[in-house]
Amino acid sequence: EAGVAQSPRYKIIEKRQSVAFWCNPISGHATLYWYQQILGQGPKLLIQFQNNGVVDDSQLPKDRFSAERLKGVDSTLKIQPAKLEDSAVYLCASSLELKGGQETQYFGPGTRLLVL
Amino acid sequence: AQSVTQPDIHITVSEGASLELRCNYSYGATPYLFWYVQSPGQGLQLLLKYFSGDTLVQGIKGFEAEFKRSQSSFNLRKPSVHWSDAAEYFCAVGAKGTYKYIFGTGTRLKVLA
Repeated sequence: EAGVAQSPRYKIIEKRQSVAFWCNPISGHATLYWYQQILGQGPKLLIQFQNNGVVDDSQLPKDRFSAERLKGVDSTLKIQPAKLEDSAVYLCASSLELKGGQETQYFGPGTRLLVL
Repeated sequence: AQSVTQPDIHITVSEGASLELRCNYSYGATPYLFWYVQSPGQGLQLLLKYFSGDTLVQGIKGFEAEFKRSQSSFNLRKPSVHWSDAAEYFCAVGAKGTYKYIFGTGTRLKVLA
């Protein structure tokens, strides 16, 4: 079974530029998550999708971050314009909704973003 | 509010020694608990999880963890550490029905040859 795929793996941009990350979840997984992991910290949830609908985007900085999952499969996360503090690893995860909510999240390798 | 505390930022052990990584959580209801490992430049790999039932959980790579409700803890253990275990370890707590994890800040493990 293929895992969660993410691209690109690395990205270097200058502040005020825009950037987009792509994620393809495990086949059949209904729930998709985007996390931000700043160096030295644990991952922080940015947004959670159930199929193509947003479940939780309470921690997404909506003035500059956007995400979509149009067909309920793959997803893109965009930052526009980027700030220095956006330098982080962006992790995508997916889970298969199980009865009772006892799902497990499977993570992709992440996209490492450096904003100069 | 849910929270997870990993008190040890760094731990160094010798190869072959036993290991215990601490995790304390704060959550009103019965939590779902997870341990993940992250090698440099990699994503997170699930080591083990606790949903209910037996409080001693076995995972991959020889790891185990014990859920202690009275202490609000879910410590990770391994009887004999290998050099390849050097990585960062994250504890996470989930909530029934919300599918949302809260992660701790991680413990970086160094293994001495």
